[in-house]
Amino acid sequence: DIQMTQSPSSLSASVGDRVTISCRASQSISDYLNWYQQRPGQAPRLLIYAASTLYAGVPPRFSGSGSGTDFTLTISSLRPEDFAVYYCQHSYNVALTFGRGTTIEIK
Amino acid sequence: QVRLQESGPGLVEPSETLSLTCTVSGGSITSDYWSWIRQSPGKGLEWIGHKHYTGKADYNPSLESRVSISVDTSKNQFSLNLKFADAADTAVYYCARVVTMIRGIHTYYFDYWGQGALVTVS
Repeated sequence: DIQMTQSPSSLSASVGDRVTISCRASQSISDYLNWYQQRPGQAPRLLIYAASTLYAGVPPRFSGSGSGTDFTLTISSLRPEDFAVYYCQHSYNVALTFGRGTTIEIK
Repeated sequence: QVRLQESGPGLVEPSETLSLTCTVSGGSITSDYWSWIRQSPGKGLEWIGHKHYTGKADYNPSLESRVSISVDTSKNQFSLNLKFADAADTAVYYCARVVTMIRGIHTYYFDYWGQGALVTVS
């Protein structure tokens, strides 16, 4: 299986901050990388697919980049509703796996 | 707007079969692949498998010997059966729609999710 490693596991930030989360794949996955947001008590929500394509209805303050093994999710200016857990997921092959998540907490 | 809703027992005895159903509304179950994903504190998010109404399916290799997913087009539902359940299968189980093709390229991402169903094996 392809292992997905996210860093950091958690971070503290303030409203208005620019935040970057990393995801590394254990082998090259081209741009087959998706990002999800999960708020407490809710199901994950798709933010970005194919590494950098914003899903419909997702605010443009979210962006994704990367290719190969290293990927980044950036939130340009944190809003209160962005404090949540973020997961990456590879779609390079059918043995789909997720990262362990990055929690963004309020500083 | 596609909506998914999980249903089934919240408590399963060890060695029994864990069974859940997902009801799809706002869209046809014949249009896509449909998946089960679970989330536990110990293992995070874990993809279980997905199936198309034509019968094509893929399963997580770590669960493949115990899992089956079925699709009922007459009810617009799909179901999960996980045999020989044990405490390690205790989790929140989500059903989700899978997008498998973008711009002619195979991919797999989950765009619609159910709210989740907690299943405890005890």
